[in-house]
Amino acid sequence: DVKVTQSSRYLVKRTGEKVFLECVQDMDHENMFWYRQDPGLGLRLIYFSYDVKMKEKGDIPEGYSVSREKKERFSLILESASTNQTSMYLCASSLMGQGKDYEQYFGPGTRLTVT
Amino acid sequence: QKEVEQDPGPLSVPEGAIVSLNCTYSNSAFQYFMWYRQYSRKGPELLMYTYSSGNKEDGRFTAQVDKSSKYISLFIRDSQPSDSATYLCAMSGNTGGFKTIFGAGTRLFVKA
Repeated sequence: DVKVTQSSRYLVKRTGEKVFLECVQDMDHENMFWYRQDPGLGLRLIYFSYDVKMKEKGDIPEGYSVSREKKERFSLILESASTNQTSMYLCASSLMGQGKDYEQYFGPGTRLTVT
Repeated sequence: QKEVEQDPGPLSVPEGAIVSLNCTYSNSAFQYFMWYRQYSRKGPELLMYTYSSGNKEDGRFTAQVDKSSKYISLFIRDSQPSDSATYLCAMSGNTGGFKTIFGAGTRLFVKA
């Protein structure tokens, strides 16, 4: 079974704090993704990575950065947390290649509250 | 206009009913059409996918894609309380990038 784990299920941080969200997958997938999920807006892609040390901006990268030093691990960093970053954060992974990258495996999510 | 439109519901049906969930999209380059199911406090999981147009059946679930109308559907027959979840449509393809675009999700409640 593919497993994607996220470091925390619930997190409460203060405005201005630096926040690290960690994601680990155990299926040797090339692609990894960070989304945020908000009511009525669905999943919005923040960043994705298709290889170690490679990253691409998604639709809403502002205020976020990422790090992928190892294939299995993809970190999302909120440089200076703000209240509008209160959300559910979902990590996902997938294989790479034509017809293989459509299936993404998601972690359980981290519900982040910034006060 | 959003690339993918999905009615958020909620949709409430009695057990045993046939459920129809739908999405419309605007980008004709989409080739892969997926349905994910997300239970409360869990991440989404892939339920079904279809490549290009046509139908696909898996047990009580049927996915339909009509590329001419840019419309996709998921039918659930003999719905069960365990089907209560949020259903997200998703699409990807040669859109000049790597991205999968997700709908906002429809919340379904199946009452026993």
